[in-house]
Amino acid sequence: AQKITQTQPGMFVQEKEAVTLDCTYDTSDPSYGLFWYKQPSSGEMIFLIYQGSYDQQNATEGRYSLNFQKARKSANLVISASQLGDSAMYFCAMSPNRDDKIIFGKGTRLHILP
Amino acid sequence: SQTIHQWPATLVQPVGSPLSLECTVEGTSNPNLYWYRQAAGRGLQLLFYSVGIGQISSEVPQNLSASRPQDRQFILSSKKLLLSDSGFYLCAWSPGVSGNQPQHFGDGTRLSIL
Repeated sequence: AQKITQTQPGMFVQEKEAVTLDCTYDTSDPSYGLFWYKQPSSGEMIFLIYQGSYDQQNATEGRYSLNFQKARKSANLVISASQLGDSAMYFCAMSPNRDDKIIFGKGTRLHILP
Repeated sequence: SQTIHQWPATLVQPVGSPLSLECTVEGTSNPNLYWYRQAAGRGLQLLFYSVGIGQISSEVPQNLSASRPQDRQFILSSKKLLLSDSGFYLCAWSPGVSGNQPQHFGDGTRLSIL
């Protein structure tokens, strides 16, 4: 069965520090994609970053990077130099290659403190 | 560039009334389209998805239905709303190729049932 687990329901981090949001996944598919989304209090879901299961390098997008450890089935999101605007709910998600659907984790609420 | 529009942004409806939420996508053709519901402080629940006109897959049995009358139009409906239908409804699209594609979301509709 496909499953995404985010074990941190909430995190408080000081502004300008780096943040790591944990995500582990479970799948029997050999090929899949991993995603992270940000949901601010206004509600919209913002796509942040993508990692393919066969990608050799960790994905990076600006201040976001994905720490992909395939053997451990983990796909942690790292936010460097956190900003107040990073305060939001963050969802990890996975899609098997054979499917058009995405499975979402329950999310981690990140609070950046000034 | 592609954009997704979803309306209305907020809606207050009495129990037993009908519902129609609309979502349209611009700047792409043959997209996959999705309807999600998010309860307060919770993750996303996939309700319906569509890979083409008139093709609807239902993920959760309920009193909601979806239709895709045009390639880039996706409608969520109900004949009689229940209190449990309250929530935040999100429409999303992804490119119409199989697997590993991020979904891009509209701004959502906050539905309150009285």
